[in-house]
Amino acid sequence: ETGVTQSPTHLIKTRGQQVTLRCSSQSGHNTVSWYQQALGQGPQFIFQYYREEENGRGNFPPRFSGLQFPNYSSELNVNALELDDSALYLCASSLDRGSFNEQFFGPGTRLTVL
Amino acid sequence: GDSVTQMEGPVTLSEEAFLTINCTYTATGYPSLFWYVQYPGEGLQLLLKATKADDKGSNKGFEATYRKETTSFHLEKGSVQVSDSAVYFCALSKQAGTALIFGKGTTLSVSS
Repeated sequence: ETGVTQSPTHLIKTRGQQVTLRCSSQSGHNTVSWYQQALGQGPQFIFQYYREEENGRGNFPPRFSGLQFPNYSSELNVNALELDDSALYLCASSLDRGSFNEQFFGPGTRLTVL
Repeated sequence: GDSVTQMEGPVTLSEEAFLTINCTYTATGYPSLFWYVQYPGEGLQLLLKATKADDKGSNKGFEATYRKETTSFHLEKGSVQVSDSAVYFCALSKQAGTALIFGKGTTLSVSS
């Protein structure tokens, strides 16, 4: 069984640019969540997608957007990058919505904004 | 709003020592509680969970009991190993919710 994978592993962007991060869910999982983990902090919830529709959103501005595809892979897009967007971005997939379902995390993408 | 507070680190222990990492939460309703572990360079892994009051989650020698009266979910292990060195996160999720709400994490360093 393939776990959650994310690409790229690292990337460097400059302020004002746009970035797309990708996530491949664990087989059979229809729900994906994205988190931002700043250095020395716990992950912060960005949003969740369930069967291709947004199913909840944290306190992040609209320049953070996402997509989930029919094969349940997912993208996180960030426009107009700011220095504070530098962080580890984690995606997590689960069998279904709801707190009873374990979320399986990928290794993350380290984004540096200069 | 809902939140999780866990003890500041780093926690430095010798092999075979007893471990406690404190975690308290603030939430309305009846959240589920989790401990996740993050090894260097890896994503988070679920260590254990408890979904209702007085439940005890356990895995790999780690234990935590959901105490509603004290709003706590402290992580314990009787004898730590060098391989337990990692960052530990306490988290909660509402019964019908979607997001995990994490504490800031506690770094554990175990020396031989």
